[in-house]
Amino acid sequence: DQQVKQNSPSLSVQEGRISILNCDYTNSMFDYFLWYKKYPAEGPTFLISISSIKDKNEDGRFTVFLNKSAKHLSLHIVPSQPGDSAVYFCAARPPGTYKYIFGTGTRLKVLA
Amino acid sequence: GAVVSQHPSWVICKSGTSVKIECRSLDFQATTMFWYRQFPKQSLMLMATSNEGSKATYEQGVEKDKFLINHASLTLSTLTVTSAHPEDSSFYICSASDVRQGQNSPLHFGNGTRLTVT
Repeated sequence: DQQVKQNSPSLSVQEGRISILNCDYTNSMFDYFLWYKKYPAEGPTFLISISSIKDKNEDGRFTVFLNKSAKHLSLHIVPSQPGDSAVYFCAARPPGTYKYIFGTGTRLKVLA
Repeated sequence: GAVVSQHPSWVICKSGTSVKIECRSLDFQATTMFWYRQFPKQSLMLMATSNEGSKATYEQGVEKDKFLINHASLTLSTLTVTSAHPEDSSFYICSASDVRQGQNSPLHFGNGTRLTVT
């Protein structure tokens, strides 16, 4: 039972354009969401987060949007750069815990 | 920022032997650390929660006698894969939150350990 899903296993975007990575979840009680970037053979690197009380959070080129009614969040990267090429994971946290449930990841390739 | 160090980064061992992986929080204290496992092209699966000074809590389907966790100090947790078999070959990653940053503090991950059992 996959509580956090990333339905697109891969995405290719031209350099300078916007990358949109999507994530769906099933548990409406999740109260905190994170996005991570991961290179092969390395641990994930934290990118940006959003609390369930907000619908948008922005940090430089990264913006995360949360649609609670649709149980959907997305990560926008603009402008995309070749160095953004990596696997991106979304993660969600049940309330009252420090545990996170991860999605299956989306491999982003930014073409120069 | 919060830094988590993991060692070794890769290890090859023979079937039947045990392997210990260390996870350290370098600039903060971590009463709780998390151990994840990642199979190729799959998600990060939480294996267990390591609690300083008490027993680890394991996720469903994870054998506690197979994956021994010790969290003896506020900066160190170890995962020992006992009597390793080829199916234990995987990428193991530890993580921790710096709770000084509050309830909504992200997980910081180590660089992972690639275990290959021959």
